[in-house]
Amino acid sequence: EDKVVQSPLSLVVHEGDTVTLNCSYEVTNFRSLLWYKQEKKAPTFLFMLTSSGIEKKSGRLSSILDKKELFSILNITATQTGDSAVYLCAVLNYGGSQGNLIFGKGTKLSVKP
Amino acid sequence: DTGVSQNPRHKITKRGQNVTFRCDPISEHNRLYWYRQTLGQGPEFLTYFQNEAQLEKSRLLSDRFSAERPKGSFSTLEIQRTEQGDSAMYLCASSLGGTGAFTEAFFGQGTRLTVV
Repeated sequence: EDKVVQSPLSLVVHEGDTVTLNCSYEVTNFRSLLWYKQEKKAPTFLFMLTSSGIEKKSGRLSSILDKKELFSILNITATQTGDSAVYLCAVLNYGGSQGNLIFGKGTKLSVKP
Repeated sequence: DTGVSQNPRHKITKRGQNVTFRCDPISEHNRLYWYRQTLGQGPEFLTYFQNEAQLEKSRLLSDRFSAERPKGSFSTLEIQRTEQGDSAMYLCASSLGGTGAFTEAFFGQGTRLTVV
């Protein structure tokens, strides 16, 4: 059965800290891995990673995919209280039914002032 | 507003009643997903469509749940004979995809269902 596992499940840091969130997966016919940020509403898209070893960057956030070891990390540097959210990892597979998007349980990040 | 739209935003219903939710995807998106999310959990996949074809249904989707996308545009999710365990946020997402390229999925604001 396809699965996506995120760790840690929750994390508390102070403003200015750097955090690394982990996502490992076991899926058939892997296509892409996506990161989302969810505050008190719908998930908002952060990154989509398809190729191994190529870092994607947006401001203080960056992410990279390792398709050999089947994981991805999301880094946030110089954290701010506005980064407090649940970060979701999802994997898009590309099987006979042409693709499904499977989510992990998320990592709840709390940034204290 | 050109994002994914879901209606209603909130629904309170009595156990045993039927409810229907609507999702209007981003207009050019051919793929549409339904998820259920409970507190502290990631979105659980329910079903998805490519155009009007329902390509996959989760084993979580009991026969009380049915989804349609009749013309490949908006979609409805119906829950019959609701149970308290159906209380959750129901999320809809849409994307472009098919043989070859897939884009990221964008989510609507969700419909929060409370069964009393």
